[in-house]
Amino acid sequence: GAGVSQSPSNKVTEKGKDVELRCDPISGHTALYWYRQSLGQGLEFLIYFQGNSAPDKSGLPSDRFSAERTGGSVSTLTIQRTQQEDSAVYLCASSLVGQGAFEKLFFGSGTQLSVL
Amino acid sequence: DAKTTQPNSMESNEEEPVHLPCNHSTISGTDYIHWYRQLPSQGPEYVIHGLTSNVNNRMASLAIAEDRKSSTLILHRATLRDAAVYYCILPRSNDYKLSFGAGTTVTVRA
Repeated sequence: GAGVSQSPSNKVTEKGKDVELRCDPISGHTALYWYRQSLGQGLEFLIYFQGNSAPDKSGLPSDRFSAERTGGSVSTLTIQRTQQEDSAVYLCASSLVGQGAFEKLFFGSGTQLSVL
Repeated sequence: DAKTTQPNSMESNEEEPVHLPCNHSTISGTDYIHWYRQLPSQGPEYVIHGLTSNVNNRMASLAIAEDRKSSTLILHRATLRDAAVYYCILPRSNDYKLSFGAGTTVTVRA
């Protein structure tokens, strides 16, 4: 597709379950980002992938969160043993090379995660 | 990112211009000024960016103060579709951890 695609758009899960969120970036974009947005709040950086470099995982809030990017394209964010405080919109973005000052980020519509 | 300050909210009438201010008094000489907006139930979308000179594109104009300590995003004729949260951010060179604060919530009245 032409834009960043995220799935599912909505996910309701029970506390303690694992969830996987998928992001399909724009073709040819080497940089991929995950952000989290709680209700009425700004965006919180989670993780960054750029090409074959080691990802920057410094924004992941706990070791229950992990992400991978296969083949430099699709990325999956996994949350294990979900907690109610994990409820938020998870946003994925991609950009051409990952140089923040000069680039536009293209965001997906996000996955609304609700943990009951 | 350098700190930015924006009003929490602004209201406008349809077809009228909207001027959204952003203060960034700690901006450094190499910081670009970027604006994004987030429509309801959508991810943010890029609006415009600039360094020193005023910039225009099909979505908006960006007016940058001569001392670069403030800037204004101008929507020339607001439409209902422009109702969104507008974020002013200053990403550092090679800084991919864009920091989005609360932004300005723009309401457009028909």
